[in-house]
Amino acid sequence: AQSVTQLDSQVPVFEEAPVELRCNYSSSVSVYLFWYVQYPNQGLQLLLKYLSGSTLVKGINGFEAEFNKSQTSFHLRKPSVHISDTAEYFCAVSKPQGGSYIPTFGRGTSLIVHP
Amino acid sequence: DTEVTQTPKHLVMGMTNKKSLKCEQHMGHRAMYWYKQKAKKPPELMFVYSYEKLSINESVPSRFSPECPNSSLLNLHLHALQPEDSALYLCASSPRLAQTGELFFGEGSRLTVL
Repeated sequence: AQSVTQLDSQVPVFEEAPVELRCNYSSSVSVYLFWYVQYPNQGLQLLLKYLSGSTLVKGINGFEAEFNKSQTSFHLRKPSVHISDTAEYFCAVSKPQGGSYIPTFGRGTSLIVHP
Repeated sequence: DTEVTQTPKHLVMGMTNKKSLKCEQHMGHRAMYWYKQKAKKPPELMFVYSYEKLSINESVPSRFSPECPNSSLLNLHLHALQPEDSALYLCASSPRLAQTGELFFGEGSRLTVL
């Protein structure tokens, strides 16, 4: 079975400070990894993804994440956050299951950026 | 701008009503999904269609009835719902079911059951 753990349910941070949102997963096979962002009353939008290749992936809005296979982690980072980054962030993992790839979502981390 | 369009954005219905949620995508994707999302929770998978055929049903109650009339459209028919069914219903699509699992989401339909 695979699972996704987002260790922090809420991360408060001041504007222009750096932030890291943590995501760990468990899987016995290779996986694909994703971070989605959800602004209030909207759907989920893909921030970035790791499929293969370089373990450091860059996404939209200045976010990046690093895939660490030995630690089974895919933490999301931004060097300087804005008020507009306040949103819910979901880590997701997918692996082949009977020929299909259906992502499993973490519980989400609420990023709250204070002025 | 999302390329997955959901209508209506908001829906209020009584427990005896019949209503439908609609989803449309024109990206040529052949897999389409319905998710249910409660406040401050991750999306929960309900149904998956692949090439217009129901591929996955996550033991969803029969008061929810999905339909995929063609490769661009996905409907969710609602009948005799309960107040606990109030939630944000998200539609998503992906190029193929047998690919990476990257999903393209619509903005959701906020359902309130009175």
